[in-house]
Amino acid sequence: DAKTTQPTSMDCAEGRAANLPCNHSTISGNEYVYWYRQIHSQGPQYIIHGLKNNETNEMASLIITEDRKSSTLILPHATLRDTAVYYCIVPNFGNEKLTFGTGTRLTIIP
Amino acid sequence: DVKVTQSSRYLVKRTGEKVFLECVQDMDHENMFWYRQDPGLGLRLIYFSYDVKMKEKGDIPEGYSVSREKKERFSLILESASTNQTSMYLCASSLAGTTNEKLFFGSGTQLSVL
Repeated sequence: DAKTTQPTSMDCAEGRAANLPCNHSTISGNEYVYWYRQIHSQGPQYIIHGLKNNETNEMASLIITEDRKSSTLILPHATLRDTAVYYCIVPNFGNEKLTFGTGTRLTIIP
Repeated sequence: DVKVTQSSRYLVKRTGEKVFLECVQDMDHENMFWYRQDPGLGLRLIYFSYDVKMKEKGDIPEGYSVSREKKERFSLILESASTNQTSMYLCASSLAGTTNEKLFFGSGTQLSVL
């Protein structure tokens, strides 16, 4: 999988937008960017994925830069339940196994 | 609602025991995966399977084997459990397809080997 770089930890105030960055400078043209999160004592949960266009769903928005070398996951109105470890993953095209790094530990502050 | 079920939430075994971790999915997914998760190391892939009776080694297969006799069930086997296999074990499944890496995970099994 293409290497991704994420900050180890971040804090965000409850009710504010949480912006989680990810660098993936070696990404290839046909590789997607995936985001998962893992709440304490649970298995990881899929959030969103994208190729080149920005994406939005009921959980989050994904902004991918034009050169595709970085992306930002946005949680528009963070709640305490969004406290989790967030993983940014870029799997090799055709590779159906995902490699999870250590992610970003996001803490939502009341 | 889609579901990946792991048979035990917590398990305590003794060194040298043979341990079976079971995982069942109800989504008719072709792909199934076993990961382990340790503090500071993230999730590491042990084994995966693309189809019944097929298996592929992941990044850390040593000390483990797997069995996939039916599409919905993927078992992880510790032939002779050791203390360094104390970990959280996570099972996942996904649809086959080159661009569908949307994994569904179970809640995990916390295994302690004493």
